Amino acid sequence: SAVISQKPSRDICQRGTSLTIQCQVDSQVTMMFWYRQQPGQSLTLIATANQGSEATYESGFVIDKFPISRPNLTFSTLTVSNMSPEDSSIYLCSVLDRGNTEAFFGQGTRLTVV
Amino acid sequence: GIQVEQSPPDLILQEGANSTLRCNFSDSVNNLQWFHQNPWGQLINLFYIPSGTKQNGRLSATTVATERYSLLYISSSQTTDSGVYFCAVRAGKIIFGKGTRLHILP
Repeated sequence: SAVISQKPSRDICQRGTSLTIQCQVDSQVTMMFWYRQQPGQSLTLIATANQGSEATYESGFVIDKFPISRPNLTFSTLTVSNMSPEDSSIYLCSVLDRGNTEAFFGQGTRLTVV
Repeated sequence: GIQVEQSPPDLILQEGANSTLRCNFSDSVNNLQWFHQNPWGQLINLFYIPSGTKQNGRLSATTVATERYSLLYISSSQTTDSGVYFCAVRAGKIIFGKGTRLHILP
């Protein structure tokens, strides 16, 4: 298994500002994943973050809005930029176990934009 | 792409009741997981079950990969079982179903 520490756990932000979410894993992993869960909805993959290269974004998500850093094999950040109320969601980071089979998730960041 | 459908979308049960949640997927997958999302938003791993049957306490799961479905059984429900249950399959990237929202009444 993998232990993932994600912070902040929640935040209330003003529109037009940015928030950076941090994700720390207790072991080295090749890929880290960032998801968004809008209210009452399922999880949607934002991007895959590889160490040493630019993140790969899914359709509908762009780097200018969701810049991602991956400075080493145990850490990643997701920034939600120029926020609007529509960005109010739970954001989760995820990794796969050593066998690249089972996915584990951080505690999530509940973001409210006012 | 692969479609993942969960049923029922909502379920309200009395404490002590049993329930069966279903996950259908439209194509062959490498693996399948069940998660419980608690009221605080945290995703809890329940089962990694690409095929076969597993049990963990009051919960058990069965995946029949050849028929492209998985079932999650919850017996003797408790109020702490409330939340949303997600099925997720991996074919390249992980794809989540829309979830089953379970509410257990005391």
